Amino acid sequence: EAGVVQSPRYKIIEKKQPVAFWCNPISGHNTLYWYLQNLGQGPELLIRYENEEAVDDSQLPKDRFSAERLKGVDSTLKIQPAELGDSAVYLCASSPGQGPYNEQFFGPGTRLTVL
Amino acid sequence: AQTVTQSQPEMSVQEAETVTLSCTYDTSESDYYLFWYKQPPSRQMILVIRQEAYKQQNATENRFSVNFQKAAKSFSLKISDSQLGDAAMYFCAYRSQYSGAGSYQLTFGKGTKLSVIP
Repeated sequence: EAGVVQSPRYKIIEKKQPVAFWCNPISGHNTLYWYLQNLGQGPELLIRYENEEAVDDSQLPKDRFSAERLKGVDSTLKIQPAELGDSAVYLCASSPGQGPYNEQFFGPGTRLTVL
Repeated sequence: AQTVTQSQPEMSVQEAETVTLSCTYDTSESDYYLFWYKQPPSRQMILVIRQEAYKQQNATENRFSVNFQKAAKSFSLKISDSQLGDAAMYFCAYRSQYSGAGSYQLTFGKGTKLSVIP
């Protein structure tokens, strides 16, 4: 069974440029999460999807960040425009359902560097 | 809001020895889940072990076991017979059992970097 796929693995951009990250969850997983992991920190949730619906986006900085999961499968996280402080690892995770007993499976993440 | 604290930024252990990683958490809830995740340099977070708060018995997965002290809000991870492949960042995480916005998210500690000495 394929795991959570993320691309690109690395991205370097100039500040004020837009950037997008893509995530393909494990087949059949209805719940998808985007996490932000700053250097030396644990991941922090940005947004959670149940199928195509964003059910928790309270920690997503909506002035510059957006996300979509149009068909309830793969998802894209976008930053526009990027700032120096956005340099971090962006992790995607998926689980079979939203209940707390459901294990979250993580992808390898995208490391973003903003110059 | 729940918080998770890992007070050991770095730890080291000799190969084949035992090491214990510490974690404390703060919550007003009575039912919840606790996890230890491993993050190797490849960055992919891997679930090591899970503990349900209502279970008194400490969880065990092969060489990994936990010491769950609910009253003290402590959740330590013991790695026995340490192997070179155990070298990684280890994150303690909390998850509420109750529904509602934000409740199913994992709240992570800052992590402990474990080095294994050959």
